[in-house]
Amino acid sequence: DVKVTQSSRYLVKRTGEKVFLECVQDMDHENMFWYRQDPGLGLRLIYFSYDVKMKEKGDIPEGYSVSREKKERFSLILESTSTNQTSMYLCASSFGQGSGDTEAFFGQGTRLTVV
Amino acid sequence: AQSVTQPDIHITVSEGASLELRCNYSYGATPYLFWYVQSPGQGLQLLLKYFSGDTLVQGIKGFEAEFKRSQSSFNLRKPSVHWSDAAEYFCAVEEDDKIIFGKGTRLHILP
Repeated sequence: DVKVTQSSRYLVKRTGEKVFLECVQDMDHENMFWYRQDPGLGLRLIYFSYDVKMKEKGDIPEGYSVSREKKERFSLILESTSTNQTSMYLCASSFGQGSGDTEAFFGQGTRLTVV
Repeated sequence: AQSVTQPDIHITVSEGASLELRCNYSYGATPYLFWYVQSPGQGLQLLLKYFSGDTLVQGIKGFEAEFKRSQSSFNLRKPSVHWSDAAEYFCAVEEDDKIIFGKGTRLHILP
């Protein structure tokens, strides 16, 4: 079974704090994603990585950065949190397009509350 | 850039009735298309996917979807819903390995 594991289910942070959200996958997937999910807005792509040290901005990268030093691990960094970053954060991974199967597998999500 | 539209934010159906959830996409080439379901408090689970070939695809839990290139649609259907189908449903499209989601349709089931 594919497993995508996010380090925390719930986090509460104060405005201005730095936050690291960690995600690990065990299927040797090339691609990894960070989304945020908000009611009525669906899943919006923050960043995407298609290989170690490679990344692309998604639709809403402002206020976020990412790190992918190892293939299995993809971190989302909030340098200075603000209340509008209160959300559910979802990590996902998939094989590259050359595999012919790009289904994404999701972690359970991290609910971040910024106060 | 590709986009996915799910025109219905909420849909309510009676248990045992048929269901169709709509999804339209904008993408130039033949897309890879997906439907995911998210039950309350749960993660996202893949229902079905379309890559190529037969335009009617079967998924888990009795769901199916039909790809219609002429209408840029990939609607999800189920002939008879169960109370356990109450959830949020997301349509998604993949381009160059990036997966883009629609805003979701929340399905409510009346007993």
